[in-house]
Amino acid sequence: EVQLVESGGGLVQPGGSLRLSCSASGFTFTTYAMDWVRQAPGKGLEWVSTISGTGGDTYYADSVRGRFTISKDISKNTLYLQMDSLRAEDTALYYCVKDTCGSTSCRFDYWGQGTLVTVSP
Amino acid sequence: EIVMTQSPATLSVSPGERATLSCRASQSVDTNLAWYQQKPGHSPCLLIYDASTRATDIPARFSGSGSGTEFTLTISSLQSEDFAVYYCHQHKHWPRTFGQGTKVEIK
Repeated sequence: EVQLVESGGGLVQPGGSLRLSCSASGFTFTTYAMDWVRQAPGKGLEWVSTISGTGGDTYYADSVRGRFTISKDISKNTLYLQMDSLRAEDTALYYCVKDTCGSTSCRFDYWGQGTLVTVSP
Repeated sequence: EIVMTQSPATLSVSPGERATLSCRASQSVDTNLAWYQQKPGHSPCLLIYDASTRATDIPARFSGSGSGTEFTLTISSLQSEDFAVYYCHQHKHWPRTFGQGTKVEIK
């Protein structure tokens, strides 16, 4: 059974840093890309970042590029999101997502329960 | 950036009726389009991928169609558990983008 368990959220001041973690199980971690998707309170979904199966390729939304860093520790089956220079607009529930790509397209087939990040003075 | 526009924003439907949700991409995404359902207080879950392939364990009343820039999610006969927010999402171009969502509510 695929399980994704996020942790590391909390309250942080503007300009501060936070590192989110996502412990993954039930699938071969190196085979699949992983993503972070966020959802501001009462708002829709926003894709944040993707990392390839082996971790060699990373992609970011313009809103976080240069401030956030996605990584994965294959030995620990854990995905990370290092968030620096946080802003009020980064306040959101952050989901860890398993990303499955077939021959024609990809899909987010498993989602964690989310971890809440609040950026406020 | 590909802009995904969903319509309507809110759809009021009676149980047992058919619901049709639309998603338009600002440029072609071929069939690199997925649909997700999100119920209040829950994480999103995958319904449809490749524009028309139902995900594992998704009931046959859910169907997807379209390619290029125009896509449709149809729920043939709404059940009580289907009242939720639905998002379309394109995976073809970076950055990946979601639509703003369509809320399906009880009429």
